[in-house]
Amino acid sequence: AQKITQTQPGMFVQEKEAVTLDCTYDTSDPSYGLFWYKQPSSGEMIFLIYQGSYDQQNATEGRYSLNFQKARKSANLVISASQLGDSAMYFCAMSLGGTSYGKLTFGQGTILTVHP
Amino acid sequence: DTAVSQTPKYLVTQMGNDKSIKCEQNLGHDTMYWYKQDSKKFLKIMFSYNNKELIINETVPNRFSPKSPDKAHLNLHINSLELGDSAVYFCASSQGGLTLQTQYFGPGTRLLVL
Repeated sequence: AQKITQTQPGMFVQEKEAVTLDCTYDTSDPSYGLFWYKQPSSGEMIFLIYQGSYDQQNATEGRYSLNFQKARKSANLVISASQLGDSAMYFCAMSLGGTSYGKLTFGQGTILTVHP
Repeated sequence: DTAVSQTPKYLVTQMGNDKSIKCEQNLGHDTMYWYKQDSKKFLKIMFSYNNKELIINETVPNRFSPKSPDKAHLNLHINSLELGDSAVYFCASSQGGLTLQTQYFGPGTRLLVL
């Protein structure tokens, strides 16, 4: 069975600074994908970034990058140059390859607050 | 163009009633999902359909019955609603298959059972 853990219930960051949101995972399957989603107060789930277990390089998407450390089973999200609009709940999620048909297992979420 | 849409956005109903939530995706994806987000914001898979075929059913009570009339639609019918069913229900879709694909979520349906 797979498990995702986000140990930071809440994080605060000053506008324009970088912030790292932690995520650790547990699976014995060699093929898996790691995802980050953003949920603003309006409630929708917005896909941010994806990292595959076989990807050699860390994923980046604009101001978002994923610090993937396979040996430590961590997939931390780094947001550079934080903006007020980054204030939201952030979820780390994992899906397995093979016959799981992409079922996502989510972490508990981290609430990020960006201060002006 | 909305990629994944859900109706209704809000649903307030009495205990014991039956209600349905509809989901449509225009992404041409093969796989669709229902997730439940509880009051503590925890998200959990409920069902998944691939090409109209049920492939994941995660120990959800029989009162919940998904139906996929075609690849682009996945509806969720809930019988005899209970207080504990109050949650946000998200529909999602992905290209599916045996490869890892990003899931795109609908806006959610906020269900409140009184």
